[in-house]
Amino acid sequence: NAGVTQTPKFQVLKTGQSMTLQCAQDMNHNSMYWYRQDPGMGLRLIYYSASEGTTDKGEVPNGYNVSRLNKREFSLRLESAAPSQTSVYFCASNWDRGNTEAFFGQGTRLTVV
Amino acid sequence: AQRVTQPEKLLSVFKGAPVELKCNYSYSGSPELFWYVQYSRQRLQLLLRHISRESIKGFTADLNKGETSFHLKKPFAQEEDSAMYYCALTGGSTDKLIFGTGTRLQVFP
Repeated sequence: NAGVTQTPKFQVLKTGQSMTLQCAQDMNHNSMYWYRQDPGMGLRLIYYSASEGTTDKGEVPNGYNVSRLNKREFSLRLESAAPSQTSVYFCASNWDRGNTEAFFGQGTRLTVV
Repeated sequence: AQRVTQPEKLLSVFKGAPVELKCNYSYSGSPELFWYVQYSRQRLQLLLRHISRESIKGFTADLNKGETSFHLKKPFAQEEDSAMYYCALTGGSTDKLIFGTGTRLQVFP
C-alpha cells in the first residue's frame, strides 16, 4: 500500500521562484494536512483540509497556498520562494476528526537559496 | 488556543534507565492526545493515543486533565528507542492536528 505519497523528495529553488509540492493518499481519508519541520520548532501546521472542497489556515500560512484538488490530492504552492521557507515539508492525512491516526508522507526537503 | 508544549529538546539516558518525556497542553475542551515518533530515516508514525490506554513498545502515557499533561514513560530504555518524539493534540470539530516542538531521545549503550 502506498499510503501518503509526496513529490518531489528534494528541491532547490532560487529566491523568487515558484513551485508546487504534491501530495496524494490512497486511504480514502477525509482530512489532509501540510506541515513544515524546522530544528527547534517541531512540526508546524501550514494548512489543512477537513474534507474535499474545504481548506483552512494553520499556524504558519503566510507565503503558501493550497488546493484540495479532490479527495486524494492536496497540493502546497509557494508563489515566490524565500530563504525562510527552507524546511522539510510533510503531508499527512487521517480519516476524520477526533481520535484517528494520521499517516505521513516521507517528506520533501526544500532549500531556497 | 490550542497549544502543545514539550519543554525538553534533548533527553539523554543510558540503556536500562527510566525515561519520561514531558508534554503539557492547553485546550478549552476535551482533547484527544497522541504521541508520534520519528526514527532515523523513517516516516513519522503514531506511537500511542490516550483513548486506547495501551502500551506500545513498553511506552505508556497517562492523561492528567488536572495538570493538563500527557507525559510519555518507559521503565527501561532501549537503544532502539532513540528517536524524535512528538506530542500532538486534536479536539472538537476543528480537525486540526497540532504538534509540540518535539524531544529527541538519545539512549546510550
